[in-house]
Amino acid sequence: DGGITQSPKYLFRKEGQNVTLSCEQNLNHDAMYWYRQDPGQGLRLIYYSQIVNDFQKGDIAEGYSVSREKKESFPLTVTSAQKNPTAFYLCASRTGRNYGYTFGSGTRLTVV
Amino acid sequence: AQSVTQLGSHVSVSEGALVLLRCNYSSSVPPYLFWYVQYPNQGLQLLLKYTSAATLVKGINGFEAEFKKSETSFHLTKPSAHMSDAAEYFCAVSTSGSARQLTFGSGTQLTVLP
Repeated sequence: DGGITQSPKYLFRKEGQNVTLSCEQNLNHDAMYWYRQDPGQGLRLIYYSQIVNDFQKGDIAEGYSVSREKKESFPLTVTSAQKNPTAFYLCASRTGRNYGYTFGSGTRLTVV
Repeated sequence: AQSVTQLGSHVSVSEGALVLLRCNYSSSVPPYLFWYVQYPNQGLQLLLKYTSAATLVKGINGFEAEFKKSETSFHLTKPSAHMSDAAEYFCAVSTSGSARQLTFGSGTQLTVLP
C-alpha cells in the first residue's frame, strides 16, 4: 500500500546534538511538507518542497534544515540552534491534482 | 493571508448525541477547506474536504460539513456520537496558490461520554 513512512517513532536528543527525522513516501507525490505540533497550537509549517532539489521556509524554519535529493525522501534535521525542539513532528505529501494532504504517523522528539 | 479559527478547544458530548465542531475561516480568495482527525500519537486522517463543488460535504465515519460563505464557516457535524469518535479534530484552509499550503486551526479535542 502507498503511504508515508516516518522514522523513528520516538527520538531522544541530548542538548547540543543535531538529529535527523526521516520521511519517505511511495505515493509519487510532488510536494512534501514538515509540520511541528505542540499542544494547543495546532500544526505549524516548518519547511516545504514542491520539486526535487528545491524547498522553501515555512513559518518556523529557524533551527531546522531539510533536503530534497529524491522525490520520495524529505528528511528534516533539527539542529542545536533549535532551542525548544521537544514536539511532535509530522510529514505530509500532496499530489498536484488535489488539495488534500496525506500524513505520516509522526515522530515524537524529546530533549533529554 | 488565510487563517482558521476553531471555537472551543475541548468539546464533550454524550454517546448518541449530536456532534458539532465549529470552524471559521478567513481567506481573501475562494478557499478549499478540510477537516482532519487525529488519534493519540498518530498522524492526521482526512475526514472530508470542500473544493468549490457542493456546499454540503459528506465524509467518512458519518461526518459532514457545510460550507457557508456568508458566515465564513465550515462546521463539522455528526448526528450521533460514538465512543470511537473521541479524538482531536483540525480544520484547515488552503488556497489555489502555487504552494497550496494548508493552514490549520488549533484543534478541538472531542470527548464522548458514556
